[in-house]
Amino acid sequence: EVQVVQSGAEVKKPGESLRISCQGSGYSFTDYWISWVRQMPGKGLEWMGRIDPRDTYTNYSPSFQGHVSISIDTSISTAYLQWSSLRASDTAVYYCARQRGGLDALDIWGQGTTVTVSS
Amino acid sequence: SYVLTQPPSVSVAPGKTARITCGGDKIGSRNVHWYQRKPGQAPLLVMSYDNHRPSGIPERFSGSNSGNAATLTISRVEAGDEADYYCQLWDPANGVFGGGTKLTVL
Repeated sequence: EVQVVQSGAEVKKPGESLRISCQGSGYSFTDYWISWVRQMPGKGLEWMGRIDPRDTYTNYSPSFQGHVSISIDTSISTAYLQWSSLRASDTAVYYCARQRGGLDALDIWGQGTTVTVSS
Repeated sequence: SYVLTQPPSVSVAPGKTARITCGGDKIGSRNVHWYQRKPGQAPLLVMSYDNHRPSGIPERFSGSNSGNAATLTISRVEAGDEADYYCQLWDPANGVFGGGTKLTVL
C-alpha cells in the first residue's frame, strides 16, 4: 500500500525547537517530491514548501521562508519539517503530501501532525 | 502572488448538483487540482489537471477550467460528499490554495 505516515502530535513552548517527520512507503521514495501544508485552527490549507528527494532541492513559500526548513533522509524514506524557534502562531495541523512532478497534484497525503505551541 | 478565490460555502439538496468555483486571473491557462477534506481526515485528491479523476473517485465528480474560473461539479450529491473543498495550482513553483468551500448537504 502506498502511504505517507507522519510523526505524532507535539506540545511545545514558544522558543523551543521541533522536527516532525513524514515517512513514505509502498513506492519509490526518490521519484516523488514531498510538500508540507499547514492548516491553522479553523482556517484553510496553506502550502509551505517542498523538497525533491533526488537532489534535496527545496523551495519555500515566501510566507514561510526563513522560519521553517525542510530536509530529507532518503536512506529511511523520510522527510522532515523543522523549526528552530517556535511561536504560538505555529499551532496548527501540518500535512505532508507527495507529488510526482513540479506541476502535479498532491496525490497521497499523510494523516497530519498536530503541533501545539503554548506557554 | 497568484490568488485563488472560492465561495466560502455552497449548499445543495441530496441528489442535486453542486458546483464549486475557483476564480483566478486567466486560470484557464493553468492546471488546477481539487482536494476534499472531511473533519478529522487528511485531504484527498478528487480531481487533477482540471478534469482527471484519480482512481477510486466516483464518476459523479467532474471538473472544468476555462477563462477566469475552474469548477468542480458533483452530480447526484450524497450526504457523504459534505466536506471542505480546495482548489490548488502551482505558480509556477509555489503552491497556491484557494480559501476553501464548505459544501453542506441539506
